[in-house]
Amino acid sequence: DTEVTQTPKHLVMGMTNKKSLKCEQHMGHRAMYWYKQKAKKPPELMFVYSYEKLSINESVPSRFSPECPNSSLLNLHLHALQPEDSALYLCASSQERDRGVGYTFGSGTRLTVV
Amino acid sequence: DQQVKQNSPSLSVQEGRISILNCDYTNSMFDYFLWYKKYPAEGPTFLISISSIKDKNEDGRFTVFLNKSAKHLSLHIVPSQPGDSAVYFCAASAYTDKLIFGTGTRLQVFP
Repeated sequence: DTEVTQTPKHLVMGMTNKKSLKCEQHMGHRAMYWYKQKAKKPPELMFVYSYEKLSINESVPSRFSPECPNSSLLNLHLHALQPEDSALYLCASSQERDRGVGYTFGSGTRLTVV
Repeated sequence: DQQVKQNSPSLSVQEGRISILNCDYTNSMFDYFLWYKKYPAEGPTFLISISSIKDKNEDGRFTVFLNKSAKHLSLHIVPSQPGDSAVYFCAASAYTDKLIFGTGTRLQVFP
């Protein structure tokens, strides 16, 4: 298995809703990431998990709450989002000690906040 | 502060010709540079990387060149194929797993 699987592919939520994005990989990668990509912009790092522990939080608002239940799963819990949070949310994983190999990205979740 | 820049938002190349995508960076601490390719509605796909201790890395039709003094790298695709039409992102990291992406260049390869 060489994939990162993200669910759902599309999500529409209201500003008072609570929802979760899920990410799964079975490549034995020990680092997992959440990126956010707005239209015509580059992906921007949100969080990094290393060995199931949060290692980087890029000053992301608390309405985004990451969780890493085990080495294969990464969640992003969403609560009280704003319309400007609408974006493509990308999950990625990597084998930490070989940075030249790059991340494996999932296909993303297209989030629309109404 | 955009540490990784791709100044050409788009590039159009005829099939069979060479495609050259450029990337400039400002942070001299970057030690790894990577290129990703992205199709619509998909996540980026890793293409090729180069360490800062090298000036060239080749993988099939893809070659990346690094000029550290100019803080510039380029991706050469030869020969270009219609299936190469996508958005290409340059990315860099500085001794961490944190990747900083450029703004992307949309490559169109026409017959």
